Amino acid sequence: GQQLNQSPQSMFIQEGEDVSMNCTSSSIFNTWLWYKQDPGEGPVLLIALYKAGELTSNGRLTAQFGITRKDSFLNISASIPSDVGIYFCAGSLWGAQKLVFGQGTRLTINP
Amino acid sequence: DGGITQSPKYLFRKEGQNVTLSCEQNLNHDAMYWYRQDPGQGLRLIYYSQIVNDFQKGDIAEGYSVSREKKESFPLTVTSAQKNPTAFYLCASKEGRTSGKADTQYFGPGTRLTVL
Repeated sequence: GQQLNQSPQSMFIQEGEDVSMNCTSSSIFNTWLWYKQDPGEGPVLLIALYKAGELTSNGRLTAQFGITRKDSFLNISASIPSDVGIYFCAGSLWGAQKLVFGQGTRLTINP
Repeated sequence: DGGITQSPKYLFRKEGQNVTLSCEQNLNHDAMYWYRQDPGQGLRLIYYSQIVNDFQKGDIAEGYSVSREKKESFPLTVTSAQKNPTAFYLCASKEGRTSGKADTQYFGPGTRLTVL
């Protein structure tokens, strides 16, 4: 099936640093979603984006729906230990009932 | 509390046996989904259902079966035909409408299946 190109695959940072990750697609998406997954748990929705150009924040997290509708990024400011986990992007094509997922970005934080 | 429940959290099965994973939601969502996740991998779609008594194959349906007799329940059976069933299984649901906020899927806590 179709997949999104999510980068980077992994990040090793110091506590307090800012983080940036992104997803790109060859297709135009109607919706972009960002999830976080802790080990052994299901993904939890962080931010949902529904309009091109939309910029949405959730605490220290900020995500944007790209103007071309083919990309999205997620920023985390001032990282803390509980930010550790795997972050997934997902997109929905117009009229589709399925999501397309990125491969995930594994975030590791050194205290 | 509204949400999605999956049981059990951990499941062990002997090779050659069928096993059924439970997924229940009380969000009044029309659509439900089953995904498989392998270590260090992304999510792969097994089956999905948009309404009761109807379901479609996803990308990796071979060796799996589902039923959707009730709106709130979407059990997944891992059959003995599934060659490599050990994995983390995730259930998700969303509203039935297409586009906008209705595209957003919400996930359950997952079931880890180990074949011995």
